[in-house]
Order: sequence, then structure tokens, then C-alpha cells
Amino acid sequence: DQQVKQNSPSLSVQEGRISILNCDYTNSMFDYFLWYKKYPAEGPTFLISISSIKDKNEDGRFTVFLNKSAKHLSLHIVPSQPGDSAVYFCAASYTSGTYKYIFGTGTRLKVLA
Amino acid sequence: GAGVSQSPRYKVAKRGQDVALRCDPISGHVSLFWYQQALGQGPEFLTYFQNEAQLDKSGLPSDRFFAERPEGSVSTLKIQRTQQEDSAVYLCASSREGGGANVLTFGAGSRLTVL
Repeated sequence: DQQVKQNSPSLSVQEGRISILNCDYTNSMFDYFLWYKKYPAEGPTFLISISSIKDKNEDGRFTVFLNKSAKHLSLHIVPSQPGDSAVYFCAASYTSGTYKYIFGTGTRLKVLA
Repeated sequence: GAGVSQSPRYKVAKRGQDVALRCDPISGHVSLFWYQQALGQGPEFLTYFQNEAQLDKSGLPSDRFFAERPEGSVSTLKIQRTQQEDSAVYLCASSREGGGANVLTFGAGSRLTVL
């Protein structure tokens, strides 16, 4: 049973346009969410996070939106740049008690110059 | 160190061999995690240490997998009698504190190929 799902395995976007990556989760206990970016042959690197007490968090070109009722989060990248081409993973955790992050299967973003 | 260091980066083993993968976390980081990432999948949780205590090993796929962190810093993931299905990238991550809502810093991973 996959608790965190990224239903789009890949996404292509023109440089300068908006990239929207989606993530759904099933466990209503999750209250902390992160996005990681991964380049080939490297480990995932942290991008942005959001707590369930918020519905939006912004950091430069990156914004994460959380819709708790729909159990859905999305990552917006604006404007997209060729260097953003990577695999993006969303991850979820519940902060009271446990500590392990459950990851989605990833979305490969390709930004076309 | 500045980041999480893992070794070896690549390991090829014959089926039935034992392997040991090392993780050197960021100095002072309390929490250490091991994840397994199969091709085309997201990282899957294996085990978690807070200092030297292994608080959760629920993700270890079988009793052939064993992890330790005896002095609360360096950790080793050992796989005995490797099988082809063990082929994956093994990621180590550390975080400053225990508990949730902490950002994990990952190493580059150890890619294990079992022939």
C-alpha cells in the first residue's frame, strides 16, 4: 500500500514556464511534507518543506501548496530553468512520535531550453 | 564532515557473498537513516538510529540485513548471502535531531549490483 503517490513519472516544460509537480498521500496522520531533488549519481537534496498547519510555503522560485482535505500537495517552480531538470520526490512524515519519511516514486522533470 | 559520506560508491557482489556498506554522517547529527532505492522507485525506509540506539528496524527486508552504529557516529549496513533482489542504491541520511520535522541530508549512495 503506497502511502505517498506521485502519479506522473515524467514532465516536460519549456524554460521560463511554470512546472507543477503533484503528490497525493493517503495517511491523514502525516503532518510534515518535504520535496527533494535528485540528480543522477547523487543523493537527494532537500528543496522545500511544509507543515500541515500551513497551506503554502514559498522559497524563491519554489512554492509548495498543501491541500489537507484533498490529501494533496504540489510543488510549483517559476520560472523553470534547465538546471531544474532532475527527479523530484515528495516525502511525508508525522512529527509526533515517528521520524521516518515515506517517499513517493518520483517525477522526472525536464526543462527544455 | 561537510556532508554525509558513503562508501563504497559502487559494489558488485556475486550472489551469496556478504557485503558491508559504510556511512559517515554529518558530525554531531543525532539521527541516522538507511534507505533502499530500487531502480525507478523512491527511497524506501530500512532502519533508523538515534545516536547508537537502533529505534526502528521495521524496514529491513529480511534477517540477512543488519545495521549498526556502535559509537553513535559511523554506521554500517551489512547484507549477508546477497541475492539478486538486493541490487539497489543504498542511501544513508542524517539529521541534527531526533524526531520528526527534521530535514534529512543524504549521502550519494552505495550502488550494489548482485550478479
